[in-house]
Order: sequence, then structure tokens, then C-alpha cells
Amino acid sequence: EAGVTQFPSHSVIEKGQTVTLRCDPISGHDNLYWYRRVMGKEIKFLLHFVKESKQDESGMPNNRFLAERTGGTYSTLKVQPAELEDSGVYFCASSLNTGGSPLHFGNGTRLTVT
Amino acid sequence: AQSVAQPEDQVNVAEGNPLTVKCTYSVSGNPYLFWYVQYPNRGLQFLLKYITGDNLVKGSYGFEAEFNKSQTSFHLKKPSALVSDSALYFCAVGAGSYQLTFGKGTKLSVIP
Repeated sequence: EAGVTQFPSHSVIEKGQTVTLRCDPISGHDNLYWYRRVMGKEIKFLLHFVKESKQDESGMPNNRFLAERTGGTYSTLKVQPAELEDSGVYFCASSLNTGGSPLHFGNGTRLTVT
Repeated sequence: AQSVAQPEDQVNVAEGNPLTVKCTYSVSGNPYLFWYVQYPNRGLQFLLKYITGDNLVKGSYGFEAEFNKSQTSFHLKKPSALVSDSALYFCAVGAGSYQLTFGKGTKLSVIP
């Protein structure tokens, strides 16, 4: 089966610009998660979709971040306008079930805001 | 609130020697625990998990981990390290909620 794919793999933008990250989960996985790792720190939860619904968005830093999952398939994460502190690696993961079901991660998008 | 501590930023071990990567956690309720490994420029790969049952769980690539409830620990171990085990290792905990809480990661370097 194809794994979780993320696009782009790298993005370098200037402060104030907009960036949209995309994630295609494993087919059939209703659960989709976004995480972020800032250099050398913990991997932080951002939000969780079940199909097209936001189940938990408690980790979203502020209203400059907007995640969508129209149709319950792929998801996008938009940062507008980007700030320097948004730099980091954004990981998407999917799972078949919740609770103890392992997450399957994509390779991540490395975002650099200059 | 859930938390995970990986007290060592880096662990160095000689090839062929046993390795241990430490993890302690704090959570309300019964935890479920994971170890993931990340190779350069790749995503996190699932290694093993503990939900219930036997405290010693075995996972991919010869790794195992022991759940210790009294010490709230879930250390990752391997009897004989390989150079190819060099990577970044993350411990994660969850407990009834959908989100996992990850540690900062431990860089494992296996020296030939």
C-alpha cells in the first residue's frame, strides 16, 4: 500500500507570505493528524481529523493556521501570513483507528520562513 | 496533562553492544506507549507499542521495550546494536485521547 505522502518536501518563504502544505493519507484511513517539530524540540500535536471533521484542534498555535480536509481524503494546512517562528518540520500522519492504533507518518515538509 | 521525558539527547554505543534509550512518562489513566524511529529526511516509522498485557514488548528490527508502571518508564532496548540502528528515536504516550504526546527525541549513534 502507498504510504502517507506530503508535498512539498521543502518550502522556503518570506515572512508575511502564504504557504499551503498538502497531505495524502493512506487510503481508507479515516484519521488524519498534523504534527510539527521545531528544531530540536518535541513533536507537537496540531490537530486531528476524523474523515472531514476536525476532532481535536487544540494544538493549533493561532488563527494564522487553517487546516482542511474536504471530502475526507487529502488534507491541506495553510499558514497565512507566515512568521519566523513557524519554521519547522510539519508531519502528517494517518491511522485506521484511534487509541492504540499506530500512526503512519509522511516524510514531512520542512518549512523555512526567512 | 500528558508528558514524555527522554533524558538523553544523544546515546553513543559500540556496534555489537547492548543499547538502551530511556523514556519516562506522565499521564492520567492507563497509558499506551509507542516508540518511533526517524532516519534522515524521512518520516517517523513505528517500532513497537504497549497497550496492555505482557510488560515486555517486542518490535521491529530486534528492538524491545519494557513497560514499568511503578517507575513510569518505557525504555527501548536491543541486545546487540548495529551501525544501521543509528537514527533519531522518539517515545510517545497517549491515554484515551486521540493525540499522542512525543518526547524530544534521542539521537542514537552506533560506532563501528
